[in-house]
Amino acid sequence: GAGVSQSPSNKVTEKGKDVELRCDPISGHTALYWYRQRLGQGLEFLIYFQGNSAPDKSGLPSDRFSAERTGESVSTLTIQRTQQEDSAVYLCASRATGGDYGYTFGSGTRLTVV
Amino acid sequence: AQSVTQLGSHVSVSEGALVLLRCNYSSSVPPYLFWYVQYPNQGLQLLLKYTSAATLVKGINGFEAEFKKSETSFHLTKPSAHMSDAAEYFCAVRGVAGTALIFGKGTTLSVSS
Repeated sequence: GAGVSQSPSNKVTEKGKDVELRCDPISGHTALYWYRQRLGQGLEFLIYFQGNSAPDKSGLPSDRFSAERTGESVSTLTIQRTQQEDSAVYLCASRATGGDYGYTFGSGTRLTVV
Repeated sequence: AQSVTQLGSHVSVSEGALVLLRCNYSSSVPPYLFWYVQYPNQGLQLLLKYTSAATLVKGINGFEAEFKKSETSFHLTKPSAHMSDAAEYFCAVRGVAGTALIFGKGTTLSVSS
């Protein structure tokens, strides 16, 4: 597609429930990143996928967080047993390897845990 | 390791005044540096980037930034602020090729008439 698409745009969930957030990267972009942005904060790196290589999971805050990506397509970020501190905007970005190093961000999913 | 410090979490200017948003970085390798803008309830939009070519980088909406290695800085400027420039601005650094961008905490720019 023309841009990075994320769904849903808003999600309200009850504490303790699992949630799945989806990211559709720009077609042909081999790299995909997930970030978390808490209210009034900067972006916190979560996980990075590059092609078929093992993902860089160094930013995941706990084992309740996981992400998958099949090849160079859609990625899903899963948060299990959600807590109130998980409330944030989750942003996805994709990037083509080589070239102009541009990272393109989606509009994010606003997650509210009540 | 890479890090970014944005000095001033909130900057207020009058319409038509100079905009200066400060960013200092730390990087163990030659950095690539970025400025992004975020309007309310929207994702991040790239303003400009430095990728080891010209040290003065021009971006969209009249913004520019200068890479100063000796000062480890990449400050964002615009000669004349518009009301539409009011937004959150993030500076980011990328060190080793292929790694994630590391972001500063952001600076909120307010523009008054």
